[in-house]
Amino acid sequence: QVQLQESGPRLVKPSETLSLTCTVSGASINSYYWSWIRQPPGKGLEWIGYKYYSGSTNYNPSLNSRVTISVDKSKSQFSLKLSSVTAADTAIYYCARVNYDILTGDYQIDYWGQGTLVTVSS
Amino acid sequence: EIVLTQSPGTLSLSPGERATLSCWPSQSVSSSYLAWFQQKPGQAPRLLIYGASTRATGIPDRFSGSGSGTDFTLTISRLEPEDFAVYYCQQYGSSPWTFGQGTKVEIK
Repeated sequence: QVQLQESGPRLVKPSETLSLTCTVSGASINSYYWSWIRQPPGKGLEWIGYKYYSGSTNYNPSLNSRVTISVDKSKSQFSLKLSSVTAADTAIYYCARVNYDILTGDYQIDYWGQGTLVTVSS
Repeated sequence: EIVLTQSPGTLSLSPGERATLSCWPSQSVSSSYLAWFQQKPGQAPRLLIYGASTRATGIPDRFSGSGSGTDFTLTISRLEPEDFAVYYCQQYGSSPWTFGQGTKVEIK
C-alpha cells in the first residue's frame, strides 16, 4: 500500500524559506516522478512542480525562481524548499506521486499525502 | 499557461440523479491529457479519470470522462451519497500543469 506523509514546520516567518519533506512507503522512489501541489484554505489547487527520481525537474514558472524539489533515494524521501515566502504562500501543501505511462505519455497523479497546512506569519 | 474553466460552479442534485460537469480549456489540450479529481472536505484529492476517459484503478464505472481539445466532460451516471464532493479537472498536456477552479456537487 503506497503511502506518502508530509512533515516540516507548520509556521514560517515572512521572507524565510518553507521546507517540507515527504516520506514514501510501499513503493520504490525509483521510476516515478514526485510532485508538490498546494491549496490555499478554501481555494483551488496549484501545481508547484515535479522531479523525476533520476534528476529532471519541471517547476511552475509562477514560483520557478523560489522553488527547489529534491529527491533522497537513500531515505525514500523528497523535499520542497520555497524561499522568500509571503502570506500568499499560506496553503495546504500536498506531496504526490506521479506515474508516467511511457506508452501513452499520460502522467497520473495517483497517490497523495494527507496534506499539511503551512502558515506564513510573523 | 492553459486556463481551465469549470461549469457549473455548484451543482445541486439528489442521490440517483445524473451529474454532468464541464471543463473548458483556454487552449486545446494536446493528446487529451486531461484528468479529473474528486476532493472531499479535509481530504486530499483522489484521481478519478486520466487521459480524458480512462478510469483510475478502483474507480466505479458510474464515473466516465469524455471530450477532447477544448471541451471535456465528467459524468456521474447515478449519484451515490459518497459522490457529493468538489471535482477538479487538470491538464498535463503543457507546462505548467493547471487545475480548474472546481465544481461542487451538493445534495439538493
